[in-house]
Amino acid sequence: NAGVTQTPKFRILKIGQSMTLQCTQDMNHNYMYWYRQDPGMGLKLIYYSVGAGITDKGEVPNGYNVSRSTTEDFPLRLELAAPSQTSVYFCASSFTPGGGSPLHFGNGTRLTVT
Amino acid sequence: GQQVMQIPQYQHVQEGEDFTTYCNSSTTLSNIQWYKQRPGGHPVFLIQLVKSGEVKKQKRLTFQFGEAKKNSSLHITATQTTDVGTYFCAGTSSNTGKLIFGQGTTLQVKP
Repeated sequence: NAGVTQTPKFRILKIGQSMTLQCTQDMNHNYMYWYRQDPGMGLKLIYYSVGAGITDKGEVPNGYNVSRSTTEDFPLRLELAAPSQTSVYFCASSFTPGGGSPLHFGNGTRLTVT
Repeated sequence: GQQVMQIPQYQHVQEGEDFTTYCNSSTTLSNIQWYKQRPGGHPVFLIQLVKSGEVKKQKRLTFQFGEAKKNSSLHITATQTTDVGTYFCAGTSSNTGKLIFGQGTTLQVKP
């Protein structure tokens, strides 16, 4: 059972480039999330999804886009990368929304924008 | 907006000493979760507390949820080097249903 799988693990982007962070889960969870983690700042919610075809903004959505065409996949798109987007990105999924059940996190993507 | 504050931000202890991290919310929580993140790793769920005044134990770890459901603590007895990492609380707002993470407490254990 793979859980939540994120790719790539590491990426370096130049300012203005674009990329997609991939996330897939095999637990049949309806709820999926993208967080970014900056040193000493905890986890900030970027976008979340309550099921296929439904997405919504979190605390820090600017500069990002998401889609949810299937239950399994929840890719995060960065358009026109900026140095402020240098961070560690975690995808997560859960069986119920909010904190009703544990969040299962992927291994993370470490992104540097220079 | 709702905030979940966690203190201290960092803690260095000698192996065998106890450790406590505190989590405080500006609003009432319907539940609180705790996660552990090893250096270079991802957050891993430890436990969830739901009831006012609830206390749960996992071996050397003791978790408490305050009577007013606005604060929580994690206490580790006799720390070991395997306890190194960052501990996060995450509370669900009773008002909004949204899950908010604290900033985390990073624990270093000197052998």
